[in-house]
Amino acid sequence: QSVLTQPPSVSGAPGQRVTISCTGSSSNIGPNYDVNWYQQLPGTAPILLIYGNSNRPSGVPDRFSGSKSGTSASLAITGLQAEDEADYYCQSYDSSLSGWVFGGGTKLTVL
Amino acid sequence: QVQLVQSGAEVKKPGASVKVSCKASGYTFTSYYMHWVRQAPGQGLEWMGIINPSGGSTSYAQKFQGRVTMTRDTSTSTVYMELSSLRSEDTAVYYCARGGVRFLEWLGYWGQGTLVTVSS
Repeated sequence: QSVLTQPPSVSGAPGQRVTISCTGSSSNIGPNYDVNWYQQLPGTAPILLIYGNSNRPSGVPDRFSGSKSGTSASLAITGLQAEDEADYYCQSYDSSLSGWVFGGGTKLTVL
Repeated sequence: QVQLVQSGAEVKKPGASVKVSCKASGYTFTSYYMHWVRQAPGQGLEWMGIINPSGGSTSYAQKFQGRVTMTRDTSTSTVYMELSSLRSEDTAVYYCARGGVRFLEWLGYWGQGTLVTVSS
């Protein structure tokens, strides 16, 4: 069981908008710890998608956006494309565990 | 450009140890933290620990304390992760991932992964 909770799967048709939630607690997302998001295409290493709650590294399309509120965070993907089909992970720091924690991952299916 | 190149796949017997390397290039090695993350087959990402390549200080996930050792060699810009007392549940792809200049920053670059298989 992961410290950060994500839905196991989400789906959407090409062109649609989907969101992936990441729920934490007062020891991780809640206080001053940022949330980062990673995309993992099948058979490849993860790549950084969003850092510091809402910032995109260079090269990441602006179709991807992140937000944080209270003890939760969200990743939104607009204008869904077939190439977005992947696993998505949220990540933060947990002060009770004194370490980094990941969500369980969400598999995005583009219908 | 930043590159993290990991050592090749390993097959180990239960009870043995494995040491995975991660050679960094394209940036100042001692300026950025390095993490190790693993992924069991069909499972999610699991954080194992972090090393400061500058002084060598480490912090490990509670789950792995006593079994994992992370070290670095500044002369070759390489970090190492050794996991001992291997069991079948340790079968996974092990990734090194570069953190930031500051302790709490994101994992910006990842190695290609090293498959470790534990089987009798």
